[in-house]
Amino acid sequence: KAGVTQTPRYLIKTRGQQVTLSCSPISGHRSVSWYQQTPGQGLQFLFEYFSETQRNKGNFPGRFSGRQFSNSRSEMNVSTLELGDSALYLCASSYGLAGGPDEQYFGPGTRLTVT
Amino acid sequence: AQKVTQAQTEISVVEKEDVTLDCVYETRDTTYYLFWYKQPPSGELVFLIRRNSFDEQNEISGRYSWNFQKSTSSFNFTITASQVVDSAVYFCALSEAKYSGGGADGLTFGKGTHLIIQP
Repeated sequence: KAGVTQTPRYLIKTRGQQVTLSCSPISGHRSVSWYQQTPGQGLQFLFEYFSETQRNKGNFPGRFSGRQFSNSRSEMNVSTLELGDSALYLCASSYGLAGGPDEQYFGPGTRLTVT
Repeated sequence: AQKVTQAQTEISVVEKEDVTLDCVYETRDTTYYLFWYKQPPSGELVFLIRRNSFDEQNEISGRYSWNFQKSTSSFNFTITASQVVDSAVYFCALSEAKYSGGGADGLTFGKGTHLIIQP
């Protein structure tokens, strides 16, 4: 079974621009979560989508948004980029079914550099 | 608010030594889930274990073992007879089950412990 894939793997953007990152979950997984990883703040939860609906959201400004498509693929968008948005963005997928949070499988991440 | 503390920033041991990574958590919920993930230099987080708050049984998987103690809010991870391939950053994470329909309230991660296994 193929793992979680993320595109692009590396991205360089200029402050003020916007960016869209893509994530394809493991086949059969309907939950997709996004995390930001930085040296200073560590791994922080951005949001989770399940069946095209945002089910939960972390403590990030509205510049960070996402969506999920009917095939469970997800995109996240960051508008008006700031230098502090430079980070590794990780996507994770899981079945997301009843019974409590199940194990999430992570993709390789997208390394975003804002200059 | 939930919190995970991994007090050991970096641990360095010689191959074949046993090593324990500490994880202490805080949560007000009675139902929660604990996880351990490994992040090798390649960057991809690898799932190791998931444990719910009602299951305090220790678990062993090959050279890996986990000790869950609710009394001390700890979920420690031990690698027996460590190997160079175990070198990575290890993260402990917590999630509170807030949705009856499943899913997670996002994982709250600790800062991670960088484990270095020297040959």
